[in-house]
Parts: sequence; structure tokens; C-alpha cells
Amino acid sequence: AQSVTQLDSHVSVSEGTPVLLRCNYSSSYSPSLFWYVQHPNKGLQLLLKYTSAATLVKGINGFEAEFKKSETSFHLTKPSAHMSDAAEYFCVVSDGNKLVFGAGTILRVKS
Amino acid sequence: DTEVTQTPKHLVMGMTNKKSLKCEQHMGHRAMYWYKQKAKKPPELMFVYSYEKLSINESVPSRFSPECPNSSLLNLHLHALQPEDSALYLCASSQAKPNYGYTFGSGTRLTVV
Repeated sequence: AQSVTQLDSHVSVSEGTPVLLRCNYSSSYSPSLFWYVQHPNKGLQLLLKYTSAATLVKGINGFEAEFKKSETSFHLTKPSAHMSDAAEYFCVVSDGNKLVFGAGTILRVKS
Repeated sequence: DTEVTQTPKHLVMGMTNKKSLKCEQHMGHRAMYWYKQKAKKPPELMFVYSYEKLSINESVPSRFSPECPNSSLLNLHLHALQPEDSALYLCASSQAKPNYGYTFGSGTRLTVV
């Protein structure tokens, strides 16, 4: 079965510093992986997706993620945090029939 | 059109009421989904429709009844709900297989009183 583990439930950074949100996956075959963002009281927005093309995936709003098969990881990064990045982030894997969500990481950005 | 539209955005209903949530997409997606999201939790899958047929029901109580009238519309009929059913209900759509991700609507915030 496919699953993802988000290693941090909360991450706090200062505005202008790098962001790292960690995700490990478990999959019996080459997975399709995603990062979604959810701002308070909003729906989910797709940030980026990995579907077995390039291992470094660039997304919206300056985010990117690197697929590392040897480490079974798909960490989300951004060079410089902005106040508007404060939200909850979900790492997600497809099992072929549906998406399976991680528990989420709440990102706080301090001014 | 690259959106999933959900109505209403907010709904307050009594435990004896009957109401419906609506979801619409015009992206030609052939799979549609209902998710339930409680506060500070990830979304939980309720139902999957593939080519307008129910393909997955995650053991959801019968007081929730999904309907897919055509390839663009998805409804969730609600009857005799409990206060613990209060949550954000999210609709999503995808190509026939979800390997390229879902497009989510902005959700219906449901409160059962």
C-alpha cells in the first residue's frame, strides 16, 4: 500500500529564510507524488507534482521538491519564505485509484 | 475553465433536515471525489465516482448519499446528520486515473446543530 509520512507537524521560519518541509513515502512501485497547500478555511491548491519525469520538480510560488528514490523522500523547499506562505502543507501519493494524504505540516512564518 | 465549483460555501442544518451539496467541473475530468476534512486533520476520502459510476465508498454512513447525474456534476445528499458530521466537505476531480493530481473545490463548511 502507498503511504506518506510528514516528519514535522509544525515548522516555524523567519521571513526571508529557507523553508524545508519533509516527506517520506512508501510505495511498491514508482509513485506519483504531490504537494498541496491549504490556507485557513480554503480548499487545497496543487503546488507541484512528480510523475517519474525529472527528479527536481518546480512548482508555483517558488517552491520545488526533489524526488530521491534511494532515500524514499520528497521534501519541499523554498529559498526565501514570504508571509503569505503561512499555511498547511500536505504531501500526497497516488495509489492509482485515489490520493493518500500525509498528516500535514503547518508552516508559520515570523516577521 | 480549470476550476471545481462547490455550492453552497457555508451550510447550517438541523439534525432532521435534508440538504444537498453540489459540485461542478467543466475540465472533462472523468473521476470525481468527495472528501471530508475535520479541523487540523487531512482530508478523508468518502466516495469516488469514475465515469459516473460509484467505484469507491469508504464505509460512509447511509445518511450521506452521493449522486453523479452526469460527467460534470456531483452531489452529496445529506439527511439526519449528527453534530459530529460538522466539517469541511471538499469535492475534487481528476482525469480517469488520479496520477496527475486532483483539482479541488474550495469546499462547503457544514455545521450541524
